[in-house]
Amino acid sequence: GEDVEQSLFLSVREGDSSVINCTYTDSSSTYLYWYKQEPGAGLQLLTYIFSNMDMKQDQRLTVLLNKKDKHLSLRIADTQTGDSAIYFCAESLWHTGGFKTIFGAGTRLFVKA
Amino acid sequence: DGGITQSPKYLFRKEGQNVTLSCEQNLNHDAMYWYRQDPGQGLRLIYYSQIVNDFQKGDIAEGYSVSREKKESFPLTVTSAQKNPTAFYLCASSDSPLPPHNEQFFGPGTRLTVL
Repeated sequence: GEDVEQSLFLSVREGDSSVINCTYTDSSSTYLYWYKQEPGAGLQLLTYIFSNMDMKQDQRLTVLLNKKDKHLSLRIADTQTGDSAIYFCAESLWHTGGFKTIFGAGTRLFVKA
Repeated sequence: DGGITQSPKYLFRKEGQNVTLSCEQNLNHDAMYWYRQDPGQGLRLIYYSQIVNDFQKGDIAEGYSVSREKKESFPLTVTSAQKNPTAFYLCASSDSPLPPHNEQFFGPGTRLTVL
């Protein structure tokens, strides 16, 4: 089946690292994405990883993919108050009629000063 | 300045009225999408269009309708048949419906409240 699961909340102190976790169920995923949503706004694509990669680093962001366990994580180094937002994990997979993107429910990150 | 715009940002509607939400993109993207977001839930796909003059139902299409007469425009009509329309509506587009160019870019959203 198609399902993407994330924990709903994460709280960290400013300057610490944040790790947001995600599990997905469909092994035919092609790309996996992380999006950020600030209050009252649309989703902003942060980064993505192709399913045959293990890791991708982009400045303060590190994405780790464990395909065997169907586990994706996003690490934010030196977390700042401006990183407070909801983070969505998403997977792109083949579906009847084309490719479909499945989104998780989002993890709300609180950054304490 | 390329991007996706949605209007209006806030919309109020009386029960029993149809209402149309606007979505425009100048990214020259082929594919466009409409999602609904409810508190504590992920995005649910309402309709999507892979190319102009074509669209398909998503997971929760009942009570909604769309058109795709122009590449840059994908309006969503919330009809009176939609039982619980109060939600945050997000429009997105992607260069292609196929990987590796199907990462989606989102508009700022429209918050619809039914009174």
